[in-house]
Amino acid sequence: GNSVTQMEGPVTLSEEAFLTINCTYTATGYPSLFWYVQYPGEGLQLLLKATKADDKGSNKGFEATYRKETTSFHLEKGSVQVSDSAVYFCALSNPTGGFKTIFGAGTRLFVKA
Amino acid sequence: NAGVTQTPKFRILKIGQSMTLQCAQDMNHNYMYWYRQDPGMGLKLIYYSVGAGITDKGEVPNGYNVSRSTTEDFPLRLELAAPSQTSVYFCASRTSTDTQYFGPGTRLTVL
Repeated sequence: GNSVTQMEGPVTLSEEAFLTINCTYTATGYPSLFWYVQYPGEGLQLLLKATKADDKGSNKGFEATYRKETTSFHLEKGSVQVSDSAVYFCALSNPTGGFKTIFGAGTRLFVKA
Repeated sequence: NAGVTQTPKFRILKIGQSMTLQCAQDMNHNYMYWYRQDPGMGLKLIYYSVGAGITDKGEVPNGYNVSRSTTEDFPLRLELAAPSQTSVYFCASRTSTDTQYFGPGTRLTVL
């Protein structure tokens, strides 16, 4: 079946540090991959997406590359800010999985000034 | 364009009471979803709908019901509220390219 595994948090970084949040997936066929972000007290919102192998999604300085050979979609940012403190969810959507999106458990990021 | 709206934002229920959580979207999306998010946890799918008149169970449907009479509205009904239903509830709709748009959530406490 389809599943998403992401690194456990919380992740605590100082401002301007490099961020990596690991995400791996299991799926048949050709899923689309997503990163969603949830700021305190809000709903999730799309951060970036990639729909095929070797695609790179990017937004607000965040990047993730769809790696089919390692079934991974790791989130990276070169220099985090305090305002990036949030919970980040990796997600997968697969035509073979019907109409549902599979979400990872979420990784909480704290950025200190 | 309001996106996905949810009401109420907060609610406290007594055990055994019932209520309806409202969800509406103005993006003409066919697919809509209800999730619950327990403190510090990820999302669990309660129910979803692929279009008006069509609904199906997710992974945690017990204690809930839904209806989808129009494309815009997707209310979630709680019957006989229990403390285990204390959670934050999110409604979402999905585009044809699989991106989900979430509402701001309803924080429900059952005492």
